[in-house]
Amino acid sequence: DAGITQSPRYKITETGRQVTLMCHQTWSHSYMFWYRQDLGHGLRLIYYSAAADITDKGEVPDGYVVSRSKTENFPLTLESATRSQTSVYFCASKNRGRGEQYFGPGTRLTVT
Amino acid sequence: AQRVTQPEKLLSVFKGAPVELKCNYSYSGSPELFWYVQYSRQRLQLLLRHISRESIKGFTADLNKGETSFHLKKPFAQEEDSAMYYCALSAYGFGNEKLTFGTGTRLTIIP
Repeated sequence: DAGITQSPRYKITETGRQVTLMCHQTWSHSYMFWYRQDLGHGLRLIYYSAAADITDKGEVPDGYVVSRSKTENFPLTLESATRSQTSVYFCASKNRGRGEQYFGPGTRLTVT
Repeated sequence: AQRVTQPEKLLSVFKGAPVELKCNYSYSGSPELFWYVQYSRQRLQLLLRHISRESIKGFTADLNKGETSFHLKKPFAQEEDSAMYYCALSAYGFGNEKLTFGTGTRLTIIP
């Protein structure tokens, strides 16, 4: 039972590079989410998706792009990484209706 | 728009002492409230939902709509309770399945 996984777990990249963080879930959950976790800010929603091919912006979407061609995958792309995007990124998924979100293990991204 | 406030960034409590982590929210509708916990370098996991009214690992939380609060309590702290705790709100009911998180409280249990 893999659940929800993220890759890579750690990534160091340079300013200006494109980076893609992967998220995969095996539950066929309808909803998927991307958060960033920063000291003093808690978790902030970047983008979310209600189903394949349906995505919407969260609180801090600038500089990020998402796609969802398959229900189980929800990649997050930083088109041109900046130092301010150094963070821990968490992916989450949930079913429709009331209930909890299930979180992946996180990706620690450092932009130098 | 909804908002979640956790006024304490850091909280230190002696082992065996009572613990209370504060959470206040603002939302005009009927929210669903959660407490998530993150142990050192691990993923977030659900601790409590106000709807289930369960007690998990000795923790309880009661939704007080009059005070718009959802404080997390435990009568006797244990060392394994040291973690980051996040209060979160869902405005479910309007087709909105997003969570709004507070900034978190880092709880340290002193042996």
